Amino acid sequence: IAGITQAPTSQILAAGRRMTLRCTQDMRHNAMYWYRQDLGLGLRLIHYSNTAGTTGKGEVPDGYSVSRANTDDFPLTLASAVPSQTSVYFCASSEAYSDTGELFFGEGSRLTVL
Amino acid sequence: GQNIDQPTEMTATEGAIVQINCTYQTSGFNGLFWYQQHAGEAPTFLSYNVLDGLEEKGRFSSFLSRSKGYSYLLLKELQMKDSASYLCAVTDSNYQLIWGAGTKLIIKP
Repeated sequence: IAGITQAPTSQILAAGRRMTLRCTQDMRHNAMYWYRQDLGLGLRLIHYSNTAGTTGKGEVPDGYSVSRANTDDFPLTLASAVPSQTSVYFCASSEAYSDTGELFFGEGSRLTVL
Repeated sequence: GQNIDQPTEMTATEGAIVQINCTYQTSGFNGLFWYQQHAGEAPTFLSYNVLDGLEEKGRFSSFLSRSKGYSYLLLKELQMKDSASYLCAVTDSNYQLIWGAGTKLIIKP
């Protein structure tokens, strides 16, 4: 089934640990995004990638890093997790960054940092 | 600053009509989106407006007034499966998406 796959779907993590959230898409979309969603707040952009080999910072990039080695994969890494990073993380893609087309979202990764 | 406002929660009755409002203040405007998000699931695209007026798609319609910084999503013939959060998002002049916090719609029988 075409779309975006995220892993893990849920994780409990001790503060200070390193964690990578995986995201893979099979739609050959150029642009990919990582958002976090917290209760009472809108989706907030963490990092994005216009195309393979390039990445950019979003609204809340601190404490997170990304890479885009190829078109399909866009992992998000928390180098040293803190409790404020407890959230639901959504990976998304679109055909192009400067695009008025829709975003396609993965099912989300629920992360709890203790 | 950039801001999207929508009601936190609304309640409606099965079979009825409900209108969810969204007002925005952004640096530039390149379109407005509505997404539906069921609890515990990913957001899914509902509609896109870039010109003033009403866009109709089945039971769902979306309206835009750029001069007023205002949009609404109209849901007709409500069904229980329409219980979800509805997210309003605006693309600004840099093509960044600014998201509202969402409106939780509760449908009662």
